[in-house]
Amino acid sequence: EPEVTQTPSHQVTQMGQEVILRCVPISNHLYFYWYRQILGQKVEFLVSFYNNEISEKSEIFDDQFSVERPDGSNFTLKIRSTKLEDSAMYFCASSVVGAMNTEAFFGQGTRLTVV
Amino acid sequence: AQRVTQPEKLLSVFKGAPVELKCNYSYSGSPELFWYVQYSRQRLQLLLRHISRESIKGFTADLNKGETSFHLKKPFAQEEDSAMYYCALRGVNTGRRALTFGSGTRLQVQP
Repeated sequence: EPEVTQTPSHQVTQMGQEVILRCVPISNHLYFYWYRQILGQKVEFLVSFYNNEISEKSEIFDDQFSVERPDGSNFTLKIRSTKLEDSAMYFCASSVVGAMNTEAFFGQGTRLTVV
Repeated sequence: AQRVTQPEKLLSVFKGAPVELKCNYSYSGSPELFWYVQYSRQRLQLLLRHISRESIKGFTADLNKGETSFHLKKPFAQEEDSAMYYCALRGVNTGRRALTFGSGTRLQVQP
């Protein structure tokens, strides 16, 4: 069964450093998402991406964040200058284009630890 | 603004007992409600959604617009049901695909 794949599974970075989280969505999916979950808190929407542009973003997704589809398979989340409060589990998801009720399939997540 | 509330962080039941995981929502328009499950060391996966009106792994959930609730129920819990359960909401006909999640309830089914 096809799956969304995220790498790395765990990333430790120093405060102020740039970090790139990688995702390979399911191959026939064209809608991509990033969510995050700070330890002990809710899963929160960050951004959705379709047709090579951001289609929706939350207030969390400020200028420190960016997303890119550098090639036909990867979807990346970049945090320019990490802060301690960026430490969280980051989930990538993808869905087909179509009716609004299509299911989003999630990756296993990347645990980002900022020290 | 939309909000999803799951009042219980942990629900512990014995095998064979009925289970009800509570979910209340706040949303001014027409909502679409989902339950996601995350088993230990696995990814979030969709369990069921209200528009399908289906039963998955013995779980059902009914959208009650009057009470703004979407509680997840199962008549007889199994040990393999132990997991984190997240209720989520999306607005219908808004053009938005983002899900708003509740804080999750850990279901522990004891033998």
